[in-house]
Amino acid sequence: GIQVEQSPPDLILQEGANSTLRCNFSDSVNNLQWFHQNPWGQLINLFYIPSGTKQNGRLSATTVATERYSLLYISSSQTTDSGVYFCAVEPAGGTSYGKLTFGQGTILTVHP
Amino acid sequence: KAGVTQTPRYLIKTRGQQVTLSCSPISGHRSVSWYQQTPGQGLQFLFEYFSETQRNKGNFPGRFSGRQFSNSRSEMNVSTLELGDSALYLCASRLDRDNEQFFGPGTRLTVL
Repeated sequence: GIQVEQSPPDLILQEGANSTLRCNFSDSVNNLQWFHQNPWGQLINLFYIPSGTKQNGRLSATTVATERYSLLYISSSQTTDSGVYFCAVEPAGGTSYGKLTFGQGTILTVHP
Repeated sequence: KAGVTQTPRYLIKTRGQQVTLSCSPISGHRSVSWYQQTPGQGLQFLFEYFSETQRNKGNFPGRFSGRQFSNSRSEMNVSTLELGDSALYLCASRLDRDNEQFFGPGTRLTVL
């Protein structure tokens, strides 16, 4: 099946710093999503971005589908950005209905 | 629009018992997927239902089963619970393929 690798596994920042999270995937995808998991376990949708670039406030994401990677940028980080960030993909074609394959996540800690 | 809802939010069971978890998708969404999250294995896909039919199944034993009703609400059942079934169970809904998945808050199951 498709493989998803996220880096770095852990990231510690001071408030106000910028960061880049990376997601590499091993095959063509129809769906790529970035999530933030809050301390209570809920996955919050950040971006649905199988290709191209999107921005939402201090967050932006870019997926280069031909090179099989996606980047999540967080600018001017705040303590509320702390948590786990997941990249998840759904392979193109086939019968992979509804199956998102998740990376292992990046644990982000933002200190005041 | 109301988001994905899951009940119950917390559950404590003992080994050998069975459990049923419920998921109500976003109105209009016909696809419901289920995932298990554990510290050791991360987020893993259980199965996906669309219009009351299971379209995809992950690599879990037959003790894990599910169903979907005509109103798109879904249930998953785990029989003969084992300690290793302790996990956060998440469901997600979407319109259909190639659309964004939205997650519920999860059910945290503890097996004693």
